[in-house]
Amino acid sequence: EAQVTQNPRYLITVTGKKLTVTCSQNMNHEYMSWYRQDPGLGLRQIYYSMNVEVTDKGDVPEGYKVSRKEKRNFPLILESPSPNQTSLYFCASSFGQGMGNYGYTFGSGTRLTVV
Amino acid sequence: TQLLEQSPQFLSIQEGENLTVYCNSSSVFSSLQWYRQEPGEGPVLLVTVVTGGEVKKLKRLTFQFGDARKDSSLHITAAQPGDTGLYLCAGADYKLSFGAGTTVTVRA
Repeated sequence: EAQVTQNPRYLITVTGKKLTVTCSQNMNHEYMSWYRQDPGLGLRQIYYSMNVEVTDKGDVPEGYKVSRKEKRNFPLILESPSPNQTSLYFCASSFGQGMGNYGYTFGSGTRLTVV
Repeated sequence: TQLLEQSPQFLSIQEGENLTVYCNSSSVFSSLQWYRQEPGEGPVLLVTVVTGGEVKKLKRLTFQFGDARKDSSLHITAAQPGDTGLYLCAGADYKLSFGAGTTVTVRA
């Protein structure tokens, strides 16, 4: 089954404790992206990657890091999480450069709480 | 400020009624997509519209892209409880930008 897999689904952590949210896709998509979803603000892009070793900032990159060492994986790293990073996070992938003519496939989400 | 404004924010209707959700922007997009998101899950693509004035139908759902490619609407005919969810529009220029969504509740 073609899918984007995120782990974990739920995570509660303490301020300052480094964490990684994993994302993997099995569709050989070039483009991958991370979003956070907050009430009333919709989906905001954190980082994106157009291919292996090519990453760039989205609209809200502060406090986050990413890497793209393999085509299928795109982990999101929070080096020192803070309570304002409490949110619902989604990984997405797409053919091409993610301009939108091809649909995005989203993962099931990671609900992160930072206390 | 949202690049894409969706209205209404919330919509609750009885099964069998019709509904329309709007997506408006001052920006021109090369294409516009609609997604539906159910609680606890990621958004799922419903349709992509590319040409100004384009109308696409997906069973009881009708999607229209404005002539100027700045706005779009989603119309659902004879809504069913299974149509309940968060409907998101997304516009593509050099990236994909999402609206905040319309929460639709269809009561049985």
